[in-house]
Amino acid sequence: ETGVTQTPRHLVMGMTNKKSLKCEQHLGHNAMYWYKQSAKKPLELMFVYSLEERVENNSVPSRFSPECPNSSHLFLHLHTLQPEDSALYLCASSQEMRDMDTQYFGPGTRLTVL
Amino acid sequence: KQEVTQIPAALSVPEGENLVLNCSFTDSAIYNLQWFRQDPGKGLTSLLLIQSSQREQTSGRLNASLDKSSGRSTLYIAASQPGDSATYLCAVSSGYSTLTFGKGTMLLVSP
Repeated sequence: ETGVTQTPRHLVMGMTNKKSLKCEQHLGHNAMYWYKQSAKKPLELMFVYSLEERVENNSVPSRFSPECPNSSHLFLHLHTLQPEDSALYLCASSQEMRDMDTQYFGPGTRLTVL
Repeated sequence: KQEVTQIPAALSVPEGENLVLNCSFTDSAIYNLQWFRQDPGKGLTSLLLIQSSQREQTSGRLNASLDKSSGRSTLYIAASQPGDSATYLCAVSSGYSTLTFGKGTMLLVSP
């Protein structure tokens, strides 16, 4: 148990659907991250939040919309996705957004877009 | 742009063997390097974190080394066990806790 939970664990959606991924950390951390892991590609950082403010957005398409209502919760809202968005979406947290801080990862949500 | 390469992409060994996984990065201006383990259907677990000023870190049967100037790191696993079977990921931090990952090495240790 890493202290970072993600729901749902699996999600299948059509291109016209709207869904949300949820991440919750029970570690008292102040920084949270969304990563995308596609088949045969390295993990890609999507968004970083520190103290509920977005501090990083790596050219992610607007069909992905993050939300961080408090330091324990992070959401990724999805709408009008494409089949190439099918991937494992991983959430992580760290004490602060410092290089010395280890990131703790959740189990991921396996997303399939039909 | 930082790029991280891991060799080999896959490795299969019998139980008991010592093995080495390799990681290289293109920009030596890093703050630290981490090795992670990923089991199928699960998230990542941090194994070792080496700060840029350090040469190596050890945890149990794992030893990671870092040669920052040459852009290389190795993860040494001693006396491998079937439970070590997983994908091992290398990641470097170049600032503000943003990690750049390699594609990983898939390790299979057979009994």
